[in-house]
Amino acid sequence: ELKVEQNPLFLSMQEGKNYTIYCNYSTTSDRLYWYRQDPGKSLESLFVLLSNGAVKQEGRLMASLDTKARLSTLHITAAVHDLSATYFCAVDSGFNKFYFGSGTKLNVKP
Amino acid sequence: ETGVTQSPTHLIKTRGQQVTLRCSSQSGHNTVSWYQQALGQGPQFIFQYYREEENGRGNFPPRFSGLQFPNYSSELNVNALELDDSALYLCASSPGVGQPQHFGDGTRLSIL
Repeated sequence: ELKVEQNPLFLSMQEGKNYTIYCNYSTTSDRLYWYRQDPGKSLESLFVLLSNGAVKQEGRLMASLDTKARLSTLHITAAVHDLSATYFCAVDSGFNKFYFGSGTKLNVKP
Repeated sequence: ETGVTQSPTHLIKTRGQQVTLRCSSQSGHNTVSWYQQALGQGPQFIFQYYREEENGRGNFPPRFSGLQFPNYSSELNVNALELDDSALYLCASSPGVGQPQHFGDGTRLSIL
């Protein structure tokens, strides 16, 4: 079974700082997704990464994928309080069967 | 366009009972997947349906079963409920391979 590991699991940071969340996975895949989940809510799609070297950016968030290293990163630039949420990466093992990491709970302090 | 809708939103059952959860896929999506999300955990893949056939299954026992109907709506059935089945159950649909899955708001199931 495909294993997906995220780190850190918890991240507390000050507004204005930069940080990176890491997502490692155990078997070959070239489809990786990032989702955001607010407390008590469902999952919101952030990024779809479909090839080695893919980089996507939206506002203060940037995601990248290295399929050879089986690693994706989610970089946060100049964090703001509104980014506080839990972030999940999910790897497609084939035909839309997604395996999720445990999530990174981000708390951005004013 | 209508998104993924799930019902009910909350449900309380006791051990040993059976439950059926329902999901209406987003219009045009023929693939639906079900996930179990325990508190503080990431979603765990239960199974996927494509054109009314099971198209893959995660590490869940046979008492978790499903159906997909011709209109692509779906059901998740769980028999002989156990305390550990308490979780948020998420349904997700996709328009095709390589496309992000769109998630419903989930059904929160509590087992007493």
